[in-house]
Amino acid sequence: DAEITQSPRHKITETGRQVTLACHQTWNHNNMFWYRQDLGHGLRLIHYSYGVQDTNKGEVSDGYSVSRSNTEDLPLTLESAASSQTSVYFCASSPGTGSETQYFGPGTRLLVL
Amino acid sequence: AQSVTQLDSQVPVFEEAPVELRCNYSSSVSVYLFWYVQYPNQGLQLLLKYLSGSTLVESINGFEAEFNKSQTSFHLRKPSVHISDTAEYFCAVSGSGAGNMLTFGGGTRLMVKP
Repeated sequence: DAEITQSPRHKITETGRQVTLACHQTWNHNNMFWYRQDLGHGLRLIHYSYGVQDTNKGEVSDGYSVSRSNTEDLPLTLESAASSQTSVYFCASSPGTGSETQYFGPGTRLLVL
Repeated sequence: AQSVTQLDSQVPVFEEAPVELRCNYSSSVSVYLFWYVQYPNQGLQLLLKYLSGSTLVESINGFEAEFNKSQTSFHLRKPSVHISDTAEYFCAVSGSGAGNMLTFGGGTRLMVKP
């Protein structure tokens, strides 16, 4: 079955380290998104991509970067992790032809010490 | 720009009682509206959505929501809840021509008690 996966599911890192969170989808969806979830804020958009080589900044993009070298993957990199980036991160994808549902991965819980 | 307000951060309710989770939005353009559900330690799943047509939309597990354009609301209701409905519920909005970017509300935790 087609799916969207994230790895790792849990990560502990130290302030200042570079961290990369993986997202992989097998639906061949054009659109992919990264969100962070914090108590009281719901989900906030970090970066998104409408296709290979396309990336765009979302609402809370400072300190994060993404790259889209193929359809299936959109890795999220924290260039220099900060304690404020402790959060749960969700990846999502959608077909990209209009108002479709976004399909979410299981999430990555990141703790920055 | 769009915004979504979920008026209740937590809603406790007894099993088999009715429930309403409130959602209001603001937008300067036509919108699509969504309710997502998140069970503990899982990602979000679509519960139901309004794109066009009938303003009352239903899910397969008994939830329904009504789009009210004049009140800019999309409240979620269920006439009789089960313990298994305990979860976090998120209302979200996207512009109808905005390339499918979602803006989420802060979430409402539904706690169903026996």
